[in-house]
Amino acid sequence: TQLLEQSPQFLSIQEGENLTVYCNSSSVFSSLQWYRQEPGEGPVLLVTVVTGGEVKKLKRLTFQFGDARKDSSLHITAAQPGDTGLYLCAGALLYGGSQGNLIFGKGTKLSVKP
Amino acid sequence: NAGVTQTPKFQVLKTGQSMTLQCAQDMNHNSMYWYRQDPGMGLRLIYYSASEGTTDKGEVPNGYNVSRLNKREFSLRLESAAPSQTSVYFCASSPSPGTGLGNTIYFGEGSWLTVV
Repeated sequence: TQLLEQSPQFLSIQEGENLTVYCNSSSVFSSLQWYRQEPGEGPVLLVTVVTGGEVKKLKRLTFQFGDARKDSSLHITAAQPGDTGLYLCAGALLYGGSQGNLIFGKGTKLSVKP
Repeated sequence: NAGVTQTPKFQVLKTGQSMTLQCAQDMNHNSMYWYRQDPGMGLRLIYYSASEGTTDKGEVPNGYNVSRLNKREFSLRLESAAPSQTSVYFCASSPSPGTGLGNTIYFGEGSWLTVV
């Protein structure tokens, strides 16, 4: 079973700190997405990356897709309490995956304290 | 701006009972999905429908059936509920299958199901 490993599983930081969340796999993905989920709600898409080495920025969030398209990272600069939530990475396999079968990591639960 | 609407939001079932989770989207999307989310397990795909008239098994289909009633609606049925099916269920939809650039997957707010 191909897996997306996310780390760390939990992260508790103070407001203003920087942090990086990682999403790793031994499989190659055609594309990878990052979602943010708040308690009692469904995940909401933040970004999609499709090209190896691609870097995308969304305000204080920077997303990078690994050169080999097996891994990705999410970096948050100067975290704020509003960044608190569960961050999920999800990918569509390049080989061996069935159409529509999006694989999710287990998530990183981020808590930013004021 | 309803997006993806799923019902019920909360349900308690006894072991062996059956029930159907309803899902509807108003975005004219072709693809729809059912996921379950369990602590420490992440989101796992139960079934998906790439387009109207088609359904396919995902990672954890056992104990479930689905119906793509029309382009808008995709229901999930538990024929004989088991405690292992206690979970949060999410319906989702997207313009087309997969995660291509621009193909945003939109999730509903979730249905909390407890089987006792």
